Amino acid sequence: AQSVAQPEDQVNVAEGNPLTVKCTYSVSGNPYLFWYVQYPNRGLQFLLKYITGDNLVKGSYGFEAEFNKSQTSFHLKKPSALVSDSALYFCAVRESRDDKIIFGKGTRLHILP
Amino acid sequence: NAGVTQTPKFQVLKTGQSMTLQCAQDMNHEYMSWYRQDPGMGLRLIHYSVGAGITDQGEVPNGYNVSRSTTEDFPLRLLSAAPSQTSVYFCASSSTGPYSNQPQHFGDGTRLSIL
Repeated sequence: AQSVAQPEDQVNVAEGNPLTVKCTYSVSGNPYLFWYVQYPNRGLQFLLKYITGDNLVKGSYGFEAEFNKSQTSFHLKKPSALVSDSALYFCAVRESRDDKIIFGKGTRLHILP
Repeated sequence: NAGVTQTPKFQVLKTGQSMTLQCAQDMNHEYMSWYRQDPGMGLRLIHYSVGAGITDQGEVPNGYNVSRSTTEDFPLRLLSAAPSQTSVYFCASSSTGPYSNQPQHFGDGTRLSIL
């Protein structure tokens, strides 16, 4: 069965600095990987996905993520953080031969002005 | 552009009561799912469906029932509410078939408290 780990409950970054939110996964087949963002009292919004191809994928709001098969990781990155990036971020995985989409526990990102 | 609509937004129940959380999508998505969100636990999959008439269990299905009689609707039923089911419930949908790589669209959630 697939699983996702987000090792950090919270990440604090100063505005203008680069940010990284970590995600590792476990699947028996090929992974489909996703990042979502959640703002207070709202549902999740899609940021980006990795299906196949280039290991660096770009998404909404200047975010990008790097797929590393050997380390089974899919870390979310942004070169320069904004205060408005403060939110709860979720990594999700779907094994290519399965229907279920499993989420991590989430990482709260605080961007300090 | 409605997307995924969940009703009600808030609900308070007494232990032992039953209720149905409604979810409807207007995007003709085949895949629909229910998650619960609890502090420190992230989102956990309750049940999912890959099309009308087809449902399956997720990570935490006990105490919940689902059915999928139409493509648009995917209601979640609590048979006998327990305090442990106090949570925020999210419905989500995505396009195409079982092996799709499309992202899910989420509703705004139902906040449920069981007293």
